[in-house]
Amino acid sequence: ETGVTQTPRHLVMGMTNKKSLKCEQHLGHNAMYWYKQSAKKPLELMFVYNFKEQTENNSVPSRFSPECPNSSHLFLHLHTLQPEDSALYLCASSQENWRQGPSGANVLTFGAGSRLTVL
Amino acid sequence: EDQVTQSPEALRLQEGESSSLNCSYTVSGLRGLFWYRQDPGKGPEFLFTLYSAGEEKEKERLKATLTKKESFLHITAPKPEDSATYLCAVQAGRGGGADGLTFGKGTHLIIQP
Repeated sequence: ETGVTQTPRHLVMGMTNKKSLKCEQHLGHNAMYWYKQSAKKPLELMFVYNFKEQTENNSVPSRFSPECPNSSHLFLHLHTLQPEDSALYLCASSQENWRQGPSGANVLTFGAGSRLTVL
Repeated sequence: EDQVTQSPEALRLQEGESSSLNCSYTVSGLRGLFWYRQDPGKGPEFLFTLYSAGEEKEKERLKATLTKKESFLHITAPKPEDSATYLCAVQAGRGGGADGLTFGKGTHLIIQP
């Protein structure tokens, strides 16, 4: 496989459930990201990992918990979510995190997303 | 605070009818401006990066240009397969978003046969 793969593509969960989103990249990139995409809103950055280390947490509620066991895999653990958390969650990777590389290295490759519905 | 405003929000064109999408930005120290294309049910796909005013890049029927305040994505003789949402993002030299990328809301483009 090539590119960035996200699973599951669709997820429906209740407010008390615990679930996880998975992202895997086969590009040899060093930085990985979680974005939230809601209707009529710009993409919102949630988390950034660079060389497996979390470098940014963009004021995301604690009901979202990221995990990056290695530079190819990224998880987003979900628990006690709210209906307003329903959105498309996009994973992305880049060759280098922008703080370390030249501008050209920050081109993001996105996965297809996981469509989350919280009932 | 960095800001990106895209217009129009939606645009419907006939096949072959050329037009332009606008991306106005306010950023402290632009390092790069990015255009992405997003098809329904898919993640955004990278199109172009522009670094300095006056720069232009082309790919098939698309041409992106950059000034100090805005970028245009010109679509020449579009085809139905060009229908998508086009996203603009800026990378700040300092501050900005956590990864330096601030996105606009996008322009939803529909090309009718």
